[in-house]
Amino acid sequence: GQQLNQSPQSMFIQEGEDVSMNCTSSSIFNTWLWYKQEPGEGPVLLIALYKAGELTSNGRLTAQFGITRKDSFLNISASIPSDVGIYFCAGPRRGADGLTFGKGTHLIIQP
Amino acid sequence: ETGVTQSPTHLIKTRGQQVTLRCSSQSGHNTVSWYQQALGQGPQFIFQYYREEENGRGNFPPRFSGLQFPNYSSELNVNALELDDSALYLCASSFWGGSTDTQYFGPGTRLTVL
Repeated sequence: GQQLNQSPQSMFIQEGEDVSMNCTSSSIFNTWLWYKQEPGEGPVLLIALYKAGELTSNGRLTAQFGITRKDSFLNISASIPSDVGIYFCAGPRRGADGLTFGKGTHLIIQP
Repeated sequence: ETGVTQSPTHLIKTRGQQVTLRCSSQSGHNTVSWYQQALGQGPQFIFQYYREEENGRGNFPPRFSGLQFPNYSSELNVNALELDDSALYLCASSFWGGSTDTQYFGPGTRLTVL
């Protein structure tokens, strides 16, 4: 199926550390999206990737579209307290209608 | 530019009742998708509306239905509510004709079924 597997499930890091998380699938995706969700809010789009091998940055965030089209990575450099939240990867369903989401990576920053 | 808005913010219903949730899409967008997010899970696709018609549907029963209006706003209706329908309901808008994969979400409606 089109399941997206995210790892790690959760991360406990110190402020200032770099963060790396990934998303894999047994199916090929033509688009990879990374969202961040904070408690009580809807997901906010961070980065959209449309081409295999693409590397895109948004401030301290960098994401890559894997060349096999079956994986993607999100890196956060020099983490700050407001980076706390749940990070989801998502890709379009085969019907090109809605999105399939991973289960998320919960980022917790220890002071 | 106005983002995606949803109403109400919170809602409490009892089992067997019916509920209607509303969504206004981001300006310039013509497609609306609805998702259900249970606690601790990623959003699950319910259905999508384009040109006032259902354009695609996830694995949800017919008691989940929707509408899209000429101004691209949308409603999600759920009949015969069950306890498991308690969740955050998210609406997302996009532009069909551009990259429809890129969807922008509203803040959600928290539904509690007692």
